Amino acid sequence: QVQLQASGPGLVNPSEILSLTCTVSGGSTGSSSYYWGWIRQPPGKGLEWVGSIFYSGYTYYNPSLKSRVTISIDTSKNQFSLKLSSVTAADTAVYYCARHVFRTRFDPWGQGSLVTVSS
Amino acid sequence: DIQMTQSPSSLSASVGDRVTITCQASQDIRNYLNWYQQKPGKAPKLLIYDAFNLETGVPSRFSGSGSGTDFTFTISSLQPEDIATYYCQQYDNLLVTFGGGTKVDLK
Repeated sequence: QVQLQASGPGLVNPSEILSLTCTVSGGSTGSSSYYWGWIRQPPGKGLEWVGSIFYSGYTYYNPSLKSRVTISIDTSKNQFSLKLSSVTAADTAVYYCARHVFRTRFDPWGQGSLVTVSS
Repeated sequence: DIQMTQSPSSLSASVGDRVTITCQASQDIRNYLNWYQQKPGKAPKLLIYDAFNLETGVPSRFSGSGSGTDFTFTISSLQPEDIATYYCQQYDNLLVTFGGGTKVDLK
């Protein structure tokens, strides 16, 4: 079955760029059947969709984050990535990657990667 | 943006109780609503999609209903392993928003 694993630095300095990569196994990011998405969850709080990408590179983002977010895909490595610029403490969160089925539901999810923004 | 108002934010119930959570959309989202379960320290898990469809492998004590702006998620007989936080998620107009979550614990 499809499994996703997010990875990247656990600590980022304020004003710098947060970078995460999601590696997919048991499925292909080159499939035309699915999008691939990022969702974040600040400690003790709810879920916030960040954005999603199609194998072609088409992206769409949460309007509240759009000016700072870039999601890219590398189908040869079966990975997709998130970059969030000009981070502040408010960007501290567990970042989840997930398969975005027909741009509707997220299933399955990766285990999550905690990123703390602090100097 | 479409806002999702989920209630209650928390509830306590006994094993065997019927548990009901509601989610209200700020505008008509047809049946474009999903429900997730999140246990502490774990990633969310899809339970119900498109308002009432049970994901494969999910116990039948979980169910969903509703359309338009008002949706309901029900656990027919609460089990100890159902202790978790539950979230609704809408995907109308291709943008995604989540409800604030409902934490369910044992009385």
